[in-house]
Amino acid sequence: LAKTTQPISMDSYEGQEVNITCSHNNIATNDYITWYQQFPSQGPRFIIQGYKTKVTNEVASLFIPADRKSSTLSLPRVSLSDTAVYYCLVGDHSSASKIIFGSGTRLSIRP
Amino acid sequence: GAVVSQHPSWVICKSGTSVKIECRSLDFQATTMFWYRQFPKQSLMLMATSNEGSKATYEQGVEKDKFLINHASLTLSTLTVTSAHPEDSSFYICSAERGRGLGNEQFFGPGTRLTVL
Repeated sequence: LAKTTQPISMDSYEGQEVNITCSHNNIATNDYITWYQQFPSQGPRFIIQGYKTKVTNEVASLFIPADRKSSTLSLPRVSLSDTAVYYCLVGDHSSASKIIFGSGTRLSIRP
Repeated sequence: GAVVSQHPSWVICKSGTSVKIECRSLDFQATTMFWYRQFPKQSLMLMATSNEGSKATYEQGVEKDKFLINHASLTLSTLTVTSAHPEDSSFYICSAERGRGLGNEQFFGPGTRLTVL
């Protein structure tokens, strides 16, 4: 299982773009990269998933360089409600496979 | 999107009693479900993998006789904390895996807050 490394915490302001980078040097060929968001006392919520290059949905963008050893979650124009813990997960999603959570990044958005 | 529910959302019990937590996938079938535990200010810790129709696979350090897992159908897995003690107080979260074209995706339940007095 590929281990992930993320910053423990980040601070930003409303309206800014926030980029959270995750390192996963030992990512395997079959591994996908998935980001989840978790609010206090709630289960994690899926944000975005990708394998390579760039993926964009209505919530965020995910940038993955060619070597796939890192990935960057980009949140455009954050608001106070984006204050949460963000987890980067790497796992083989081609089959039922357990996913191990890292420490996550605690993002705090200020007015 | 896919919905996973947990019941109860919170429970308070006396030390020594057993507590059952249900995890249901409401609009899809899940052959595999996962159970996690989360202590305050910490990340989710995987406890076990629950497979429909077979025994659960427990992570190292998790007592299988204390945390009983039953995956009786493709939409229901249960976690029973037997003889609960205060140190078992935690936030328990389940997830259910749904297959997609490009790979599987895990959907998480809202969690169950267990407080053992």
